[in-house]
Amino acid sequence: GENVEQHPSTLSVQEGDSAVIKCTYSDSASNYFPWYKQELGKRPQLIIDIRSNVGEKKDQRIAVTLNKTAKHFSLHITETQPEDSAVYFCAASKSSSNTGKLIFGQGTTLQVKP
Amino acid sequence: GAGVSQSPSNKVTEKGKDVELRCDPISGHTALYWYRQSLGQGLEFLIYFQGNSAPDKSGLPSDRFSAERTGGSVSTLTIQRTQQEDSAVYLCASSSGWQPQHFGDGTRLSIL
Repeated sequence: GENVEQHPSTLSVQEGDSAVIKCTYSDSASNYFPWYKQELGKRPQLIIDIRSNVGEKKDQRIAVTLNKTAKHFSLHITETQPEDSAVYFCAASKSSSNTGKLIFGQGTTLQVKP
Repeated sequence: GAGVSQSPSNKVTEKGKDVELRCDPISGHTALYWYRQSLGQGLEFLIYFQGNSAPDKSGLPSDRFSAERTGGSVSTLTIQRTQQEDSAVYLCASSSGWQPQHFGDGTRLSIL
C-alpha cells in the first residue's frame, strides 16, 4: 500500500544552522506533497507544499525539493531559530481534483538550541 | 466559521462504550477528512468525504468505526464498543479544490 518514510526521527541543531528532513514515498502516482509543523499540544499547521510539476519551492527560510524519479522530497530550513522547534510531518497524496487523503510520515522532532 | 471546529476537545470513557466525535469544517469546504494520531506517532488516515461522492473509507481500522457527513457540512465519527487501543487524538481537516487541508484542534480520546 501507500507508504511514506521520514528521516531522521529526531534532529538537534544549533540556532542559525540549517536543518534538512527527508521523505520517500512509495506510490509513483502521488502528485501533492505538503509539510506540516506541529507544536506540542497544537494542531498541525501547513508550512509549505509542492506539486509534482515543480522541482523546488521556497518561502523565506523554508524550501522543499522534489525528485520524482527517486520518489524523494526534502524540507530545508535555513537560519534556524528556537521557535522552529516542533515536530515536522511530511505527507503525500494522489488526486485528480483536490488534495485527497494524505499519507503521513512518522514525523521528525526538531530541536533548535539557542 | 473561521477554522475547523471539533468537539469535544477531550473525552474519557470506559472500555466497551460508544463515542461520537464531531467536526465542523470551514464554511464552504467540500472535502472533509478524519485522521488519528496516537501518542508520539504520525497521522493515520481514516476516512474522507468529497461533496456528494461515496466516502473513501479505506483507512478505517475496523467495523467498529464509522462516520457520516450530513448536509455536506458537519461530520460525526462514531466508535462502537471502544477498546484501549482506540485511545488517540482524532483530527479532522477540511479543504476545497486544490487548497491545502486545514486541521482542527482534535479530540483527545482516552479509553479506561
